[in-house]
Amino acid sequence: NAGVTQTPKFQVLKTGQSMTLQCAQDMNHNSMYWYRQDPGMGLRLIYYSASEGTTDKGEVPNGYNVSRLNKREFSLRLESAAPSQTSVYFCASRIGTVQETQYFGPGTRLLVL
Amino acid sequence: GQQLNQSPQSMFIQEGEDVSMNCTSSSIFNTWLWYKQDPGEGPVLLIALYKAGELTSNGRLTAQFGITRKDSFLNISASIPSDVGIYFCAGNTDKLIFGTGTRLQVFP
Repeated sequence: NAGVTQTPKFQVLKTGQSMTLQCAQDMNHNSMYWYRQDPGMGLRLIYYSASEGTTDKGEVPNGYNVSRLNKREFSLRLESAAPSQTSVYFCASRIGTVQETQYFGPGTRLLVL
Repeated sequence: GQQLNQSPQSMFIQEGEDVSMNCTSSSIFNTWLWYKQDPGEGPVLLIALYKAGELTSNGRLTAQFGITRKDSFLNISASIPSDVGIYFCAGNTDKLIFGTGTRLQVFP
């Protein structure tokens, strides 16, 4: 099993450009999550999907959209990138929503100029 | 939103020393988790705590779920250079809330 995979690993965008971050898990997990990590801020939840077909906003959803394409895949889209979205983005998944450990992907490093 | 206060923010210790860090919350959590993040990697789970008062060990790591359910502690005994990294606490309700992290540096 590959666990949680993310693409791309690195990306540089100009302000106003759009892009989609891809995430896939092969552990048959129901719940998937997108976080951003900024220095001194820990990990902040952007959006999550408790199960296939559902998505909900997290702590910092503005400027992002998500799609739970199927049980395996959960994508994060920036429609019009801004410098404030420069960050490291992590995808995670877990079996359920209560008392289940969460597994993280390796991250996508995004720089918006 | 919910906030987790993690301290200390950073630690610089000598190899062989013991390390303690803690996490406090204004809210009650059902589960406390401790993660470690190596440079350029995603966080990896170290210890999961499911009951108030629970004390759990994983090798040289020991973590406790506070009896008030609003705090948790992580201790690392006899630190080694590969302990270097950022340690995050996380409290779980229907989603994880993360602390701001403790950056650990170990000098030989």
